[in-house]
Amino acid sequence: QSVLSQPPSASGTPGQRVTISCSGSNSNIGSNSLIWYQQLPGTAPKLLIYHNNQRPSGVPDRFSASKSATSASLAIRGLQSADEADYYCASWDDYLTAWVFGGGTKLTVL
Amino acid sequence: EVQLVESGGGLVQPGGSLRLSCAASGFNITNYWMHWVRQAPGKGLVWVSRIKSDGSITTYADSVKGRFTISRDNARNTLYLQMNSLRVEETAVYYCARGGINDILTGFSVWGQGTLVTVSS
Repeated sequence: QSVLSQPPSASGTPGQRVTISCSGSNSNIGSNSLIWYQQLPGTAPKLLIYHNNQRPSGVPDRFSASKSATSASLAIRGLQSADEADYYCASWDDYLTAWVFGGGTKLTVL
Repeated sequence: EVQLVESGGGLVQPGGSLRLSCAASGFNITNYWMHWVRQAPGKGLVWVSRIKSDGSITTYADSVKGRFTISRDNARNTLYLQMNSLRVEETAVYYCARGGINDILTGFSVWGQGTLVTVSS
């Protein structure tokens, strides 16, 4: 059971907009930045979003994120087949003094 | 090119020990928090441990406290994870990752390719 909660799956058709949610508590998302990672099949995770809504250089602006209180969401617009991957949210937890991850959401492009 | 390369994985019996290494290139680890994250087959990411840039602070997930030890050799630009009393359920790909000066804001910006640890009799 992961400390952060994500839906196990999401899907969309090419060109669509999809969102993935992430919920936590005051000790993690409510107090600290929310991070998103993308893991393409068979590869290592890649930093997608940091500090709630910032994109590292090289990440397309099709990816955006927001945070409110103890929840967050990742939005992908103009969905592409290359976006098919597992997406994980993560945050530092002040109570556990540990990084915590969501269970991951498998995005399928239909 | 900024890169992390893990090594040291393999097959070990339950109760056994293994030492993982993570060699960095293209940047100096001296400036960064460094982390280990694992992923069991078909499962999600689980944070294992972190170490501050100068080695003065180490933190562990509750599940590995007292059994795993994270360390670093900044002169060799290398991160380590000593794993003792290994359990079957710790079979996973172990990734090293680069944090930041304040990685609570920035997350892990560089990841290695991972090394597979299999705990089985």
